[in-house]
Amino acid sequence: GAGVSQSPSNKVTEKGKDVELRCDPISGHTALYWYRQSLGQGLEFLIYFQGNSAPDKSGLPSDRFSAERTGGSVSTLTIQRTQQEDSAVYLCASSHGTGNTEAFFGQGTRLTVV
Amino acid sequence: QKEVEQNSGPLSVPEGAIASLNCTYSDRVSQSFFWYRQYSGKSPELIMSIYSNGDKEDGRFTAQLNKASQYVSLLIRDSQPSDSATYLCAVDSNYQLIWGAGTKLIIKP
Repeated sequence: GAGVSQSPSNKVTEKGKDVELRCDPISGHTALYWYRQSLGQGLEFLIYFQGNSAPDKSGLPSDRFSAERTGGSVSTLTIQRTQQEDSAVYLCASSHGTGNTEAFFGQGTRLTVV
Repeated sequence: QKEVEQNSGPLSVPEGAIASLNCTYSDRVSQSFFWYRQYSGKSPELIMSIYSNGDKEDGRFTAQLNKASQYVSLLIRDSQPSDSATYLCAVDSNYQLIWGAGTKLIIKP
């Protein structure tokens, strides 16, 4: 596609439920990042995928968070047993990858846990 | 721990003046540097990339890089109220991006 696409744009879920957030990167981009941004705060790195390499999961805040990237393209971020502190905007970005790290962001998914 | 530091602001600049935003980084081998603009409630948008020491100009924006001193700056000339946003500095470190916390810029009409 022309840009990074994220879905859904907004998600309201009840505490304790699982949620899946989707990111469709720019075609041909091998690198994909997930970030979390709470209101008025900076970007919190969650996970980084580069091609077929093992992902860098060092930013995932707990074992309730996981992500996968199928076929080197679409990625899904899953949050299990959601908590109120998980409420934030989840941003996905992609770049060409090694040697070119200009990253382009999707519009984000605003997650609200009630 | 690789770090990117920015003054959080807010930085208040009169309309028509030059806004100067600064960023320092810790990874001496970084080769790629980026400035992003983020409006409230929106995603970050890439506005400048710089790879070599010196200045790079694009319209009203000039990015400046000094690898020896490990800083990168963004100048915005003829500042407009529409430039009011948070500006994020990002630095490539081992092919991942390390982000500053951002500087909030307010342009006063």
